[in-house]
Amino acid sequence: EVRMLESGGDLVQPGGSLRLSCAASGFPFSSYAITWVRQAPGERLEWVSAISDTGDRTYYADSVKGRFTISRDNSKNTVFLQMNSLRAEDTAVYYCSNNFDFWGPGTLVTVSS
Amino acid sequence: DVVMTQSPLSLSVTLGQPASISCRSSQSFVYIDGNTYLNWFQQRPGQSPRRLLYKVSNRDPGVPDRFSGSGSGTDFTLKISRVEAEDVGVYYCMQGTYWPGIAFGQGTRLEIK
Repeated sequence: EVRMLESGGDLVQPGGSLRLSCAASGFPFSSYAITWVRQAPGERLEWVSAISDTGDRTYYADSVKGRFTISRDNSKNTVFLQMNSLRAEDTAVYYCSNNFDFWGPGTLVTVSS
Repeated sequence: DVVMTQSPLSLSVTLGQPASISCRSSQSFVYIDGNTYLNWFQQRPGQSPRRLLYKVSNRDPGVPDRFSGSGSGTDFTLKISRVEAEDVGVYYCMQGTYWPGIAFGQGTRLEIK
């Protein structure tokens, strides 16, 4: 059974940092690109970032470029999203997905003072 | 960047009746392999998104055959042949050809009349 599980969401002040994790199982992790997608309250889905299967290629939405960094550890079947200089508009549920095949339940990030 | 526009934004359908959702892109997004990476997702209330169709018309495992996808170029359609109660939710189209720049439509909310 494929499982994707996000963690690390929290309440953080503007300008702060958070590191999200996405733990996966049930599929050949090192053969899949992994994507982060977020959804602000009542809003549409927004693609955030992606990393290739080997981790040598990373991609970012313009809205997070220079502030977020995606990485992966294939030995632990885990992808990370380091989020710095957080803004109120980063408030959202963050989902990870294995190339959109399966999605985790999401983790909530709230940026507020 | 490719912009995805869905219509209608909300849909009220009688059980057993058909439903259709349109998705238009601002430009064609055929990949060099000849495929158009147009996905459709369903997000039921309180749940994570779930992919229904990939590459325009291919159903994901477990997706009922009452869901079908069609289209080419810049015009795509998701059809539900006979709406059931479990189909309530928000439906998103997504352009997945160009990375970065993956784009979702605004979402179409389906409710039962």
